Amino acid sequence: DTAVSQTPKYLVTQMGNDKSIKCEQNLGHDTMYWYKQDSKKFLKIMFSYNNKELIINETVPNRFSPKSPDKAHLNLHINSLELGDSAVYFCASSQGLAGGLPTTDTQYFGPGTRLTVL
Amino acid sequence: AQSVTQLGSHVSVSEGALVLLRCNYSSSVPPYLFWYVQYPNQGLQLLLKYTTGATLVKGINGFEAEFKKSETSFHLTKPSAHMSDAAEYFCAVSPMNTGFQKLVFGTGTRLLVSP
Repeated sequence: DTAVSQTPKYLVTQMGNDKSIKCEQNLGHDTMYWYKQDSKKFLKIMFSYNNKELIINETVPNRFSPKSPDKAHLNLHINSLELGDSAVYFCASSQGLAGGLPTTDTQYFGPGTRLTVL
Repeated sequence: AQSVTQLGSHVSVSEGALVLLRCNYSSSVPPYLFWYVQYPNQGLQLLLKYTTGATLVKGINGFEAEFKKSETSFHLTKPSAHMSDAAEYFCAVSPMNTGFQKLVFGTGTRLLVSP
């Protein structure tokens, strides 16, 4: 059973399009995250939700909008895609605020979605 | 603001040799410290973490790391490298005082293991 899954695994699209990436976790965790990994492997947090509430919102263009319909899902919608959005996007989850000290939690990462904008 | 520096974007070792991957952090207060590993075309997996207590932390796959507050370091070691250890390794910090986890990653070190 996959703990953190993402769809699609690969996404190739044209500039200006709107696309979504979906993430689901079956670990019963309360907190979920989106990360962007660029071509140089640099990994940066974008957003984090705890129990459907936004708790981390880094400096990300407002073309990126996360949505958490329930605590097991965190989707990422991207409007008006640009060349610079090409990257691998990782979803992760952790026990969260209900699990004790959330700052020491282990984050479990999905396999990533490779987005290529042409 | 917190930051992490990983010295050496690539480290090459022979199978059976000692692995040493360096990580230094910058933070006004000691943060929580993590090492994650990323195998090709996969997500990250936690190797080990330092929160409180013993400064020598043992992780999975024979890796360990030592927190040295005076040196603001958290270097990762393994006594004997295996071919299967070839991967990208990321050091990360998270602040202690926010009530939630916000990982700040280093730029990663690629470990190459030759026969």
